Amino acid sequence: DGGITQSPKYLFRKEGQNVTLSCEQNLNHDAMYWYRQDPGQGLRLIYYSQIVNDFQKGDIAEGYSVSREKKESFPLTVTSAQKNPTAFYLCASSMGQGLADPQHFGDGTRLSIL
Amino acid sequence: AQSVAQPEDQVNVAEGNPLTVKCTYSVSGNPYLFWYVQYPNRGLQFLLKYITGDNLVKGSYGFEAEFNKSQTSFHLKKPSALVSDSALYFCAVRDMEDSSYKLIFGSGTRLLVRP
Repeated sequence: DGGITQSPKYLFRKEGQNVTLSCEQNLNHDAMYWYRQDPGQGLRLIYYSQIVNDFQKGDIAEGYSVSREKKESFPLTVTSAQKNPTAFYLCASSMGQGLADPQHFGDGTRLSIL
Repeated sequence: AQSVAQPEDQVNVAEGNPLTVKCTYSVSGNPYLFWYVQYPNRGLQFLLKYITGDNLVKGSYGFEAEFNKSQTSFHLKKPSALVSDSALYFCAVRDMEDSSYKLIFGSGTRLLVRP
């Protein structure tokens, strides 16, 4: 089945530690996105990538980094500079061929502070 | 700037009754509009979208939405609610004039359908 796989499902971070969240898609989509979801705040865009080897900052990129070396993969690193990383992180992808394309989501990674 | 408002944090309906989840938007150009549903500890699932054409859009699981340009609204509706419809619903908008693929989400509305 085609879809988006996020791993791990749960992740714990220690003080001063960087952690990386994985996102893999087999939908052959060009565009990929990372969102952060906090209770009552909806989804906020962290980074997005419209094509391999290119990515753009979203609305809350500080303390995060990404790479897009392969079409299928868009890992997100939460750095120690992100002082409040506890949230539900969602990865999404879209065909990228038109602005009307819906985004398809993975099942998320829940990150907590130890 | 683009924005989406979902004025109700929660909507409560009885099973079998019609439901409406409200959404209003603001864009500088013409909008692409989307509805998504989220079940606990899951990602968002796409329900339906409005691009152009008929103002009434039909989507998955019996849901539909009505686009109203003069009121800048895109309310989600279902004629007869099911207990299994209980979930978190998000409205989202993209400006046709915006060349990026960014989607702006509302804060979500929790739908509770009681038996």
